[in-house]
Amino acid sequence: QKEVEQNSGPLSVPEGAIASLNCTYSDRGSQSFFWYRQYSGKSPELIMFIYSNGDKEDGRFTAQLNKASQYVSLLIRDSQPSDSATYLCAVVGRGAQKLVFGQGTRLTINP
Amino acid sequence: KAGVTQTPRYLIKTRGQQVTLSCSPISGHRSVSWYQQTPGQGLQFLFEYFSETQRNKGNFPGRFSGRQFSNSRSEMNVSTLELGDSALYLCASSFTRGLNTEAFFGQGTRLTVV
Repeated sequence: QKEVEQNSGPLSVPEGAIASLNCTYSDRGSQSFFWYRQYSGKSPELIMFIYSNGDKEDGRFTAQLNKASQYVSLLIRDSQPSDSATYLCAVVGRGAQKLVFGQGTRLTINP
Repeated sequence: KAGVTQTPRYLIKTRGQQVTLSCSPISGHRSVSWYQQTPGQGLQFLFEYFSETQRNKGNFPGRFSGRQFSNSRSEMNVSTLELGDSALYLCASSFTRGLNTEAFFGQGTRLTVV
């Protein structure tokens, strides 16, 4: 079982709809969770982080964390074509002190 | 505030050669981590440096090494290059170590081994 798993997609969402990206992790002791966005040919860009159970909102983005289910998600409201990118989930374990990345989900927003 | 700077942006090397990549972190950041990104394996952790000491290492062969200088700038070296080393090498800087610390990536160095 991979440490961090994401559906590779592609996930296709119409413009203006909500895009939902999911991530599960295997280390129950994981403490910190990050979402990065990576445009084709570019480096990952940090867009959200969450450390506590529940929801965290930042503009059109909402990160959701459920440690009991070992599940973290990213919601993008009012999706725009500029949101089309690969979204990477990253997790830091209790003792690891390093980011472990999922394979990423490729998201396409259709005008 | 300047971001993370990696040089060079692109490199072409032949098998058997060695290469050195450089990373200058965000001003004030003391932790630098290196990652390899390939289409098949995704982003994989190479190593982390903090206060000039390697604090963490991923599962890569000894051909991959690094160091950090007193100004927090870091270099990574790959010796005896193999075709499979072709990848995007990314460095990320953080203000400090610890669980709840955000990491910011540089633009990467794309290495092609021929």
